[in-house]
Amino acid sequence: NAGVTQTPKFQVLKTGQSMTLQCAQDMNHEYMSWYRQDPGMGLRLIHYSVGAGITDQGEVPNGYNVSRSTTEDFPLRLLSAAPSQTSVYFCASRNSGGIQETQYFGPGTRLLVL
Amino acid sequence: AQKITQTQPGMFVQEKEAVTLDCTYDTSDPSYGLFWYKQPSSGEMIFLIYQGSYDQQNATEGRYSLNFQKARKSANLVISASQLGDSAMYFCAMRETSQGGSEKLVFGKGMKLTVNP
Repeated sequence: NAGVTQTPKFQVLKTGQSMTLQCAQDMNHEYMSWYRQDPGMGLRLIHYSVGAGITDQGEVPNGYNVSRSTTEDFPLRLLSAAPSQTSVYFCASRNSGGIQETQYFGPGTRLLVL
Repeated sequence: AQKITQTQPGMFVQEKEAVTLDCTYDTSDPSYGLFWYKQPSSGEMIFLIYQGSYDQQNATEGRYSLNFQKARKSANLVISASQLGDSAMYFCAMRETSQGGSEKLVFGKGMKLTVNP
């Protein structure tokens, strides 16, 4: 299993540009989510999905769109990039239930918006 | 109001000593989960340990144990016999379930642990 994969690893955008951060998992997990990590802020939830076709907003959803057409993929779209969206973005997935819950994180995408 | 509080911005510990990382949480949910993650300088998030709110015993995973004090709403991580490779940022997190049934993971701001030789 590759686990959770994210592409690209690094990206530089100009203000106003749009782009899609890709996230895929091969563990057949129902729950997937996107976080951003800023210095001194910890991780904050952007959007999440509890299954294909179902998405919902997290703590900081403004400026981002998501869709979940398959169980495996959960792309995050920046509609019009702003310098405030400079951050490290993590995708995560998990299956709930059982004795222990484990959320698996991707390696992250470092985004710089100029 | 902050739901996960990690008050120690940074800690130093000598190699082979035990260290406790503090975490307090705030929730009115009777069912919740508590997690600890490690983030080394390379940036990846590594799951360490999980404690369910109904678990009777404290969770343990190798050198990691979670000191769960439900009445005090604390979930401190204890690392026994620190190793140089334990130097990293550590994040406490809580799984919340909303009224609609959706679940979210809320993170603390993290704390930096440095293990000295």
